[in-house]
This record gives sequence, structure tokens and C-alpha cells, in this order.
Amino acid sequence: KAGVTQTPRYLIKTRGQQVTLSCSPISGHRSVSWYQQTPGQGLQFLFEYFSETQRNKGNFPGRFSGRQFSNSRSEMNVSTLELGDSALYLCASSLGAGDPNYGYTFGSGTRLTVV
Amino acid sequence: AQSVTQLDSHVSVSEGTPVLLRCNYSSSYSPSLFWYVQHPNKGLQLLLKYTSAATLVKGINGFEAEFKKSETSFHLTKPSAHMSDAAEYFCVVSGDTGRRALTFGSGTRLQVQP
Repeated sequence: KAGVTQTPRYLIKTRGQQVTLSCSPISGHRSVSWYQQTPGQGLQFLFEYFSETQRNKGNFPGRFSGRQFSNSRSEMNVSTLELGDSALYLCASSLGAGDPNYGYTFGSGTRLTVV
Repeated sequence: AQSVTQLDSHVSVSEGTPVLLRCNYSSSYSPSLFWYVQHPNKGLQLLLKYTSAATLVKGINGFEAEFKKSETSFHLTKPSAHMSDAAEYFCVVSGDTGRRALTFGSGTRLQVQP
């Protein structure tokens, strides 16, 4: 079966612009989580969506937002981009939410460069 | 709050020798623990997970990890390293059902020398 699909794979944006990243989870998975990976901060949790509702949110400014559609696909938006937003953004899908026995499957990520 | 400490940022082994990647965790809840591997320019792949069943967990590619509650450790081992094991490894903790966000360790880069 198809894995987690993230688009685009690479993106270059200018400081001050906004960007939207997309994640399509594994078919049947209803939970989508987003993570930011940088050399300095490592992997940090952004937010998790389940059945179109944000269930959990990490410690990121309001410029970072997301949503989930009825088909479980999710988008993440970053407004007013800063140089420090340059990172690999990873999406993870899971069958359900609220049960640690569910595993997470990660996509290959979107590498965002802000210049 | 939950946290993960990976005790080594870099580990270098020779091909065919054992691998030990160390991880200590802290959690206010009964944790679920995972090891993920990341090859260059790739996403994260799940190696194995502990979710309060057997304390010795076997994963893919010959890796295994032992959950030791008294030591709050979840070290990853493999009897014999292969060149293809060279990658970055992350120890991860997930809290209870209400707080499922994954907390990642800082990662251990494994080098395998021929």
C-alpha cells in the first residue's frame, strides 16, 4: 500500500512569505502529526490532527497552523516566514489517536529553505 | 513532562561487531518507547516499539531493545553491524493516551567501518 506522501519535497521561499505543505496519510489512517527537524533543535512536535480536529499542539508560535480535511489529508501553513523556519518538515500518520499501541509512519519530508 | 536522553551523539563500530546505542527516558506516565532510524535525505523508519508488553522487544533488521524500568533505559542493540546500518537513530517516548505527541532524543549517528 502507498506510504505517507508529502508534497512538495523541496521548497525555497523568501523571508516574509507564507508557505503551505501537504501530507497525505496512509489509506485508512485518520491521525496526522507534523514535526520540524533542524540541526540545532532536532525533531520537535508541531501539532496532531484526528478526524479534522487538532488534538495536540507543540510549543510553536501562531505563525504555524494546520488543518485536516475529511479525507484525512492535512496541510500545514507557515506565515511570515523567518530564516529560522528553514527545516525538514515531517508528517506522520497513524491509524488512530489516543492509543500508544498505534505506530506512526513517517513521510520523507518537505525541505523548506527560507532565504 | 517527558524527555529522552541519548547518551552518545556518535558511535563508530566495525562491520560484524556488536552495536549498542544508549537511551534513557523520563516520563510521568507509563511510556511507550520507540526507536526510529533515518538514512540521509530520507524520512524516519520505525525499528521497534515498546508498549508495556514484553520488556525485550525485537525489531526489524536484527535490532532489539530492552525496557528497564528500574534504570529508565531503553538501549538499542544488534549483534553484528552491517554497512547498511550506518544512519541516524532516534529514541522516542510517547506519553499516555491524552498526550500522544512524540518526544525525540537528539539522535545518535552510527558509523560502520569496513
